[in-house]
Amino acid sequence: KNEVEQSPQNLTAQEGEFITINCSYSVGISALHWLQQHPGGGIVSLFMLSSGKKKHGRLIATINIQEKHSSLHITASHPRDSAVYICAAHYGGSQGNLIFGKGTKLSVKP
Amino acid sequence: NAGVTQTPKFQVLKTGQSMTLQCAQDMNHEYMSWYRQDPGMGLRLIHYSVGAGITDQGEVPNGYNVSRSTTEDFPLRLLSAAPSQTSVYFCASSSPLFSSAFDTGELFFGEGSRLTVL
Repeated sequence: KNEVEQSPQNLTAQEGEFITINCSYSVGISALHWLQQHPGGGIVSLFMLSSGKKKHGRLIATINIQEKHSSLHITASHPRDSAVYICAAHYGGSQGNLIFGKGTKLSVKP
Repeated sequence: NAGVTQTPKFQVLKTGQSMTLQCAQDMNHEYMSWYRQDPGMGLRLIHYSVGAGITDQGEVPNGYNVSRSTTEDFPLRLLSAAPSQTSVYFCASSSPLFSSAFDTGELFFGEGSRLTVL
């Protein structure tokens, strides 16, 4: 069974800290999504990547295909970054092959 | 563009009642899907569609029905609600992965529908 594992489950940081959230998956994938779920419940897409690294503002996502591992980094964290971060692995081209991790709940304290 | 519009945001049902969660997107996306989110679990796929007239089951399809008569709309029907269907439901849409330079496969989600079945 294809699985997606995230770590840590919960993360508390002080404002300004560098944060890393990890995601590992069991077999080869075609792409991996990083999503952010706000305390109010809405889900937004942060990154979709199939190789290498992407950067958007203070967020950086990397993926290592050989090691079946992806990381989401947040530099200079801020309380507004507090949210649940979810990775989802795309096994094949259809949405039917999208497996989600359980999420990492991040709390950034001022 | 409105993106993905999902209604209602909240609904309380009695066991055995039926209802439809509506989902509409205005991005001309081929792919649409329904997920449920329960505490301590990741999003789980209920049903999905790869285009008008084409639907398929996901991981947890029992008790739900879908249809895709147009590209824009993908309603989810609860046939006879049960307490186990108490959950938060999300609709999502996307274009195919890598089929063209413009198809990024980025996921767009509705705001969610919180359903309680008593």
